[in-house]
Amino acid sequence: QSVLTQPPSASGTPGQRVTISCSGSSSNIGSNYVYWYQQLPGTAPKLLIYRNNQRPSGVPDRFSGSKSGTSASLAISGLRSEDEADYYCAAWDDSLGAGFGGGTKLTVL
Amino acid sequence: QVQLQESGPGLVKPSQTLSLTCTVSGGSISSGGYYWSWIRQHPGKGLEWIGYIYYSGSTYYNPSLKSRVTISVDTSKNQFSLKLSSVTAADTAVYYCARVLVNCSGGSCYSDWFDPWGQGTLVTVSS
Repeated sequence: QSVLTQPPSASGTPGQRVTISCSGSSSNIGSNYVYWYQQLPGTAPKLLIYRNNQRPSGVPDRFSGSKSGTSASLAISGLRSEDEADYYCAAWDDSLGAGFGGGTKLTVL
Repeated sequence: QVQLQESGPGLVKPSQTLSLTCTVSGGSISSGGYYWSWIRQHPGKGLEWIGYIYYSGSTYYNPSLKSRVTISVDTSKNQFSLKLSSVTAADTAVYYCARVLVNCSGGSCYSDWFDPWGQGTLVTVSS
């Protein structure tokens, strides 16, 4: 059972905007930053968003993150086939250490 | 840039101890400013944080695994290691090592993002 809750799947067509939600509690998302990781098939996770809404260099501005209360979301605009991957939200929990969501498998139709 | 590489046996027998090493290149563990962490991913499942260590040797473990986990660091070899005791089939997973930024401001520090990650190594627990 994951510390954070994500929908198991999401989908969209090329060019569409897709959002993935992440729900937590006051001890993690409610009091700490949220991070998003992208895991392409057969590879290690890669940092996509840090500190709620910051993009590392090299990450396209099609990816954006937001946080409100104990929930967060990742938005992907102008969906492309190469965005097909698993997406994980993460946050540090005041008691449990690092918490991850169960992952959302994004399918580009 | 910093790179991490996991190594260790791919097959461990039930009740034995799983041992993995992460070798860091392109940067020194001793320079500080980062925690060095282990994360695992059960087949087809999500990510589970195992714990991390600072170059000084201080550690922080996932409470659910704490009784079986030991993370150690060898700064002379620029490596850190994971030992997980009394393994069962439920410990079969891809094990990743990763670096965690330590962010300090206003007299307090907190853990930040995981980056980079190693490529991961599959460990199967089976007799």
